[in-house]
Amino acid sequence: SQQGEEDPQALSIQEGENATMNCSYKTSINNLQWYRQNSGRGLVHLILIRSNEREKHSGRLRVTLDTSKKSSSLLITASRAADTASYFCATPNSGNTPLVFGKGTRLSVIA
Amino acid sequence: NAGVTQTPKFQVLKTGQSMTLQCAQDMNHEYMSWYRQDPGMGLRLIHYSVGAGITDQGEVPNGYNVSRSTTEDFPLRLLSAAPSQTSVYFCASSRGHSKNIQYFGAGTRLSVL
Repeated sequence: SQQGEEDPQALSIQEGENATMNCSYKTSINNLQWYRQNSGRGLVHLILIRSNEREKHSGRLRVTLDTSKKSSSLLITASRAADTASYFCATPNSGNTPLVFGKGTRLSVIA
Repeated sequence: NAGVTQTPKFQVLKTGQSMTLQCAQDMNHEYMSWYRQDPGMGLRLIHYSVGAGITDQGEVPNGYNVSRSTTEDFPLRLLSAAPSQTSVYFCASSRGHSKNIQYFGAGTRLSVL
């Protein structure tokens, strides 16, 4: 099965800085999703970008998708301590099988 | 709406014991799935269901059974618990197809001694 791989594995920044996380995947997709997981909690959906979209915004989040490079990036602008969490990209698998998640990027925002 | 509800939140088992992790959703979602999350491993798919009466295996199905008798419930059964099954278990659901947005429960943290 294909799998999104996030990079970096861990990221530590100061409050107010921007955080960028990348995701690479292996085969053609029709959408790519980003999820967030706070420590000890379940995953929460952040944003879905379709294969015919190049960029999508949601509040302080900006997601880009480059299908030619099979990669996506998640940018969090003006980060806050509350953004501290793990971020996962997820891609559909073949047929009607569940999403495949990467191992995540652990983001720490220091106040 | 409560969304996806998982019970219990925490459980400690002894090797060889059996138990059922409960998952219920009130969004009338056809699609439900179980993942386990281990440190450094991301989420790995155990079993999934595309609707009542239909289940299929994921990446790591051994040692687990599922059934889907109703749209709302998707329990995960550990037949004979092993220390390797110590993990955090997440249930997720989505409307219609697996490519749609997944809604996750809060997880069950299981320790097998």
